[in-house]
Parts: sequence; structure tokens; C-alpha cells
Amino acid sequence: NAGVTQTPKFQVLKTGQSMTLQCAQDMNHEYMSWYRQDPGMGLRLIHYSVGAGITDQGEVPNGYNVSRSTTEDFPLRLLSAAPSQTSVYFCASSFSAAYEQYFGPGTRLTVT
Amino acid sequence: GENVEQHPSTLSVQEGDSAVIKCTYSDSASNYFPWYKQELGKRPQLIIDIRSNVGEKKDQRIAVTLNKTAKHFSLHITETQPEDSAVYFCASTIQGAQKLVFGQGTRLTINP
Repeated sequence: NAGVTQTPKFQVLKTGQSMTLQCAQDMNHEYMSWYRQDPGMGLRLIHYSVGAGITDQGEVPNGYNVSRSTTEDFPLRLLSAAPSQTSVYFCASSFSAAYEQYFGPGTRLTVT
Repeated sequence: GENVEQHPSTLSVQEGDSAVIKCTYSDSASNYFPWYKQELGKRPQLIIDIRSNVGEKKDQRIAVTLNKTAKHFSLHITETQPEDSAVYFCASTIQGAQKLVFGQGTRLTINP
């Protein structure tokens, strides 16, 4: 099993550009989530999904969209990148929020 | 709002001594409290978790205690070793266990 995979590993964007961060898992987990990690700010929840076709907002959803068309995939879309979105983004999957979260390797995003 | 506060932000202890990290939460319905360890450049990984029907849980040198009345829980690491140096995050479920939110993290340094 590959576990949770994320692509790309690194990305540089210019302000105003859009892009999609990919996340996939092969553990048949219903619950998937996206976090951003900034120095001194811990892991902040962006969006989460409890199953295919169901998504909801986390703590910091502004500027991001998600969709969940399949159990395996949970892409994160940046609509119009801003320097404040420079961060490391982690995708995670699990049976639910109340079980061990399996994190992907992360995507380091820089917005100039 | 519903959040998790973690203290201290940095902690330095001598090898062999004990380390304690504390977290408080605000959602009285929270029922799941995990701790994650993140080594430099790596993804967070679960080290121990506790559910609301248990007051304490141990796994070798690490333990977690939960005080539901006071809404706080703590991570205890005994006989610390250099490989314990990392950033540690507490977390708790909120909103009916639909979301998992994290504390700000504690950078633990073990001095030889």
C-alpha cells in the first residue's frame, strides 16, 4: 500500500495564479482532510470530508476549494494564490476524525 | 471559538529527565485526544491517544492523562532520549467528532 500520497512536493506560484494540490489514499478511508502548517501556528484545518460527495469547512477555508468525487481522491484548489498562502500543506486520511490520522508527505508551496 | 491551547511552545530538558506538555480544550463534547510527533522535515505521526472514558494511558516511556472536568490533557515522556527531540502536537475532536483540531505545537529539545 502506498498510504497517502501528495503531489507536487514543491510548488512556486505567482500571486493570482491558481493550482490544485493532489491527494490520494489507498486505504479505503472515508475521512480525509487538509491542513496547512505555518511556523508557530501548528496544523490548521482547511477543509475535510466524511465521505465521497460530502465536504465541509475547517478553521481556515477562505481561498481554498475542495471536492470529493471518489473515496480515494481529495484535491485542494487554490483559486487565486496570495503570499499569505505560502505554507506546507498536509493531506490526511482515516476512518474518522476520532481515529489515527495518516498524513501524506506534504506539499511545500511558495507564493511570490 | 472551539480550539486547543498547547503549552509550552518550547521545552528543553536534560537527557534522562522527564518532559510534560499540556493542552486545554474548549468543546465540552470533545471525546478523542491524540498526540502527534513530527521530526524535522517529516510528516506528523501518532504516538499515543486517549478517549474520554479513560483517565490515563501508558505506552512504555510515554503517557497521557485526561482531566475532563478541567478540560485539559497532558503528555508525559519519562527517561528522555535524544531521539525524543521533535515537535509534539496535541489535538482534539470538535463538533460531534466531525473535525480534528491541533494545538500550536511544542518544540522539545533533549540535551545530552
